[in-house]
Amino acid sequence: ETGVTQSPTHLIKTRGQQVTLRCSSQSGHNTVSWYQQALGQGPQFIFQYYREEENGRGNFPPRFSGLQFPNYSSELNVNALELDDSALYLCASSLGGPGTDTQYFGPGTRLTVL
Amino acid sequence: AQSVSQHNHHVILSEAASLELGCNYSYGGTVNLFWYVQYPGQHLQLLLKYFSGDPLVKGIKGFEAEFIKSKFSFNLRKPSVQWSDTAEYFCALLGSNYQLIWGAGTKLIIKP
Repeated sequence: ETGVTQSPTHLIKTRGQQVTLRCSSQSGHNTVSWYQQALGQGPQFIFQYYREEENGRGNFPPRFSGLQFPNYSSELNVNALELDDSALYLCASSLGGPGTDTQYFGPGTRLTVL
Repeated sequence: AQSVSQHNHHVILSEAASLELGCNYSYGGTVNLFWYVQYPGQHLQLLLKYFSGDPLVKGIKGFEAEFIKSKFSFNLRKPSVQWSDTAEYFCALLGSNYQLIWGAGTKLIIKP
């Protein structure tokens, strides 16, 4: 176990709705990254937060947004859901600053958009 | 451009066979490379990583990988696989934005 938890495990939404996914990192892990993993593909980087500020962003539109809280939890929000947003969403936390340490992954949230 | 490619999407081996999974990368900066494994129903977990130093890196469960700069490669090896090695294996590169850039993964099936 990595000590990183995510909720919910599974979620079904319809197109146009909004969703919030949650992640709880290990204590002291002040960097959190979010990834989207479509079926049969490797994860794609969405964004990273370091000490509650966005530190880097991948090629995802602004309707993907996030927050990181002082208690080492974080959220991924997706507005105006599209069918292509159906995927496994992973969060990963690390102890050091960005890029300096191993990332520990949670089990993921499986989002299905109908 | 920053990218990672894994040559084989599916590999089937018998127990005790030797394993080599290919990984090639494209990146102009300092290279930090990882192999992650995802066992059925489990989280992604780190097998090994290369940050600097000895290009032959040893990881958990008897896995090793060799960083060959001239070939832009970071292949994963294990001399003798077990049924419990059945999993999906991902090679990843730390990009300029401190994000992990992933290959598409290789599904490994070990026949008992």
